Amino acid sequence: DTEVTQTPKHLVMGMTNKKSLKCEQHMGHRAMYWYKQKAKKPPELMFVYSYEKLSINESVPSRFSPECPNSSLLNLHLHALQPEDSALYLCASSQDSGRITYEQYFGPGTRLTVT
Amino acid sequence: TQLLEQSPQFLSIQEGENLTVYCNSSSVFSSLQWYRQEPGEGPVLLVTVVTGGEVKKLKRLTFQFGDARKDSSLHITAAQPGDTGLYLCAGGSGNEKLTFGTGTRLTIIP
Repeated sequence: DTEVTQTPKHLVMGMTNKKSLKCEQHMGHRAMYWYKQKAKKPPELMFVYSYEKLSINESVPSRFSPECPNSSLLNLHLHALQPEDSALYLCASSQDSGRITYEQYFGPGTRLTVT
Repeated sequence: TQLLEQSPQFLSIQEGENLTVYCNSSSVFSSLQWYRQEPGEGPVLLVTVVTGGEVKKLKRLTFQFGDARKDSSLHITAAQPGDTGLYLCAGGSGNEKLTFGTGTRLTIIP
């Protein structure tokens, strides 16, 4: 199984709502990632979890809160977002630390619209 | 700060033609990956190269890693409409973080 799944596929939320994005992988990967991608731009890294611990936070605003309940699951909790946060949110996973290459496998993304 | 510049930014060619996309940096990377992304979907890994001068072929796609491991190219022979998409190179530095290139949007006209 080389699939990363993400739910929901689409999400529309108001600026006062609280919602969560979910990501799951069953490849035994120990690193999981959240990216934000605006139209016609490359993905921008937000967070990295390595062995279920937060290892990288790219100075992301606190209205985005990641959570890694176990090695297969990754959540992104959203609260008090702004319209400029509308984007495609991508989850990815990669193999264990200690390797030279970290080939990342991406999910299909969640298209988020903040109204 | 590591940067990866891709060229061209946009490319539109007829079916059957050949093309090359370039990915350049002033930084050395331990690995270089190429992804293709279709609209509304996540990037799909095409190939990883790790050795300077390495060449890998995937059907009509040929990937090369520069000798100094600072640049890479993707050559497509006899392009087909199914090759349409956003092509992204990404450099690895031996940790979890990838540096993504600026992207090349390729359109193949039937």
